Amino acid sequence: DGGITQSPKYLFRKEGQNVTLSCEQNLNHDAMYWYRQDPGQGLRLIYYSQIVNDFQKGDIAEGYSVSREKKESFPLTVTSAQKNPTAFYLCATIDLNEKLFFGSGTQLSVL
Amino acid sequence: DAKTTQPPSMDCAEGRAANLPCNHSTISGNEYVYWYRQIHSQGPQYIIHGLKNNETNEMASLIITEDRKSSTLILPHATLRDTAVYYCIVRVAGLRDDKIIFGKGTRLHILP
Repeated sequence: DGGITQSPKYLFRKEGQNVTLSCEQNLNHDAMYWYRQDPGQGLRLIYYSQIVNDFQKGDIAEGYSVSREKKESFPLTVTSAQKNPTAFYLCATIDLNEKLFFGSGTQLSVL
Repeated sequence: DAKTTQPPSMDCAEGRAANLPCNHSTISGNEYVYWYRQIHSQGPQYIIHGLKNNETNEMASLIITEDRKSSTLILPHATLRDTAVYYCIVRVAGLRDDKIIFGKGTRLHILP
């Protein structure tokens, strides 16, 4: 997984609860990305950050929030506004050659 | 929307070459073609990328047509471990403020 740590590997959310997925990297990459993957589907972009203290919405940002206070960290919060949060969440960084590196993912399920 | 189109699935016999096509008819002159693959429940893994010329590395070869509107990823001697979903994406290298959009990819089944 190339220096990207996602935790936890499995996460369960109760109705109305906010949960935060962790993504930490030690690759010294500036850009970080969050993707959502539903069964049998491709990856859909939630949020991305090119630099510390800055981030942009992807294609499916509603119901999610992020922060980028440190270069190494890009946590994703799945809020209660996200009505269908069950999915596999992937965090990625990109190097200077534009190669993406992915974490091992977090499977989020609703209780 | 993804800028690429790929067949949803393909089969290949073990030991044969697997040829995975990708159409990117709207590609611009400064966009590279990247290939990744995802084995079940893992993060995608980089395979190869190229701009104009054909490229080869230890994993695969990438053939890009002269008009750059399509490309083919070649796994020369497919093994069962190559069973995965393969994604083709295009993007401008060095363009930092840019989304990276994945399509649905091609699910490759290697048959014993």
